[in-house]
Amino acid sequence: DAKTTQPTSMDCAEGRAANLPCNHSTISGNEYVYWYRQIHSQGPQYIIHGLKNNETNEMASLIITEDRKSSTLILPHATLRDTAVYYCIVRAGVGIKAAGNKLTFGGGTRVLVKP
Amino acid sequence: DTGVSQNPRHKITKRGQNVTFRCDPISEHNRLYWYRQTLGQGPEFLTYFQNEAQLEKSRLLSDRFSAERPKGSFSTLEIQRTEQGDSAMYLCASSSTTDTQYFGPGTRLTVL
Repeated sequence: DAKTTQPTSMDCAEGRAANLPCNHSTISGNEYVYWYRQIHSQGPQYIIHGLKNNETNEMASLIITEDRKSSTLILPHATLRDTAVYYCIVRAGVGIKAAGNKLTFGGGTRVLVKP
Repeated sequence: DTGVSQNPRHKITKRGQNVTFRCDPISEHNRLYWYRQTLGQGPEFLTYFQNEAQLEKSRLLSDRFSAERPKGSFSTLEIQRTEQGDSAMYLCASSSTTDTQYFGPGTRLTVL
């Protein structure tokens, strides 16, 4: 699986949009970008994933650049409960036999939402 | 749909003792994963089951660790002769054919 690079930490103001960048310059054509977050002492929580197109769900939006070498997770209106470590992960999708199935977590971005 | 559950949530044991953790996946999820997370680090993959078959094991899974999923539903992770270095959060995740993994709350192990 391709390696990802994320900033170590970032702060954002409550009620404002939080934009979390991720670089994955070695991503392959069959690899998806997944985002999880982990609130202190809890298991990771799935947020969103995408392949090429931008994606949106009730939690966040995922913007993937046209060359797919980077992406941005957008939390549209950050709340204090969004304070967490956010992980950007690249992995092959279903049916890719050689890929394995594990998620490879990096260090993530520690996001602190401030009042 | 209930999420992934793990028991116990916390376990304190003495070095040299055996411990066993249980994971109940989301119903009808045929894939189940175990990860380990030490303080300040991201989770690391340990092993993966598809139904009852253990298909992949990390080199992190030493011979003191064994995982089972006997009927393709719940899974157990056993650590024999625990060491202080085994202290960590043990996470379980499950997925269906859509392949998105959903995690449980984890079992925090402390080895004294």
